Amino acid sequence: GAGVSQSPRYKVAKRGQDVALRCDPISGHVSLFWYQQALGQGPEFLTYFQNEAQLDKSGLPSDRFFAERPEGSVSTLKIQRTQQEDSAVYLCASSPLWGGGEQYFGPGTRLTVT
Amino acid sequence: GNSVTQMEGPVTLSEEAFLTINCTYTATGYPSLFWYVQYPGEGLQLLLKATKADDKGSNKGFEATYRKETTSFHLEKGSVQVSDSAVYFCALMGYGNKLVFGAGTILRVKS
Repeated sequence: GAGVSQSPRYKVAKRGQDVALRCDPISGHVSLFWYQQALGQGPEFLTYFQNEAQLDKSGLPSDRFFAERPEGSVSTLKIQRTQQEDSAVYLCASSPLWGGGEQYFGPGTRLTVT
Repeated sequence: GNSVTQMEGPVTLSEEAFLTINCTYTATGYPSLFWYVQYPGEGLQLLLKATKADDKGSNKGFEATYRKETTSFHLEKGSVQVSDSAVYFCALMGYGNKLVFGAGTILRVKS
């Protein structure tokens, strides 16, 4: 079946612009995660949803970052007033379980802020 | 907090050589441990996992054993192939379901 999809795959934004990154999880998956991967580093946790409830947003680096999953399926990560340090690959993952278990990753969105 | 440390790369091996990539962790409680692989141009894929002490995860000829006494989860393969060239990430999942990743190790296998 279809895996996790993310769009756009590449995004170039000028400093100060707002961006919205979309994640389509595997159908029926309860849990959805966002991670940020800087160049040459491992992914770092941003936030986590179970259905439409955002259970953990402890990894969001600032209040410029906002995530939502209003109907418990598609999720959007929004970054306001982008800064150069926001340049990274943003990964979305979904899991069929309420807790624990394998996370299935999407291909990521590469954001470059100029 | 929880953290993962893995050996720095790149690791360059000849085909059919033995592979070890070291991974150690710091965590409270009893985390689950994972190895993820990222092939060139592709997304992260789960390679193997272990959920409790002394468990051995295995897949595609790769193995790793959850060693609680040494807080380690080293990745091994007896005979690597060119197609194993990729970036390998060690990760743990503790309370709260989020994955904590190491920095990744680049593996290059020469024919």
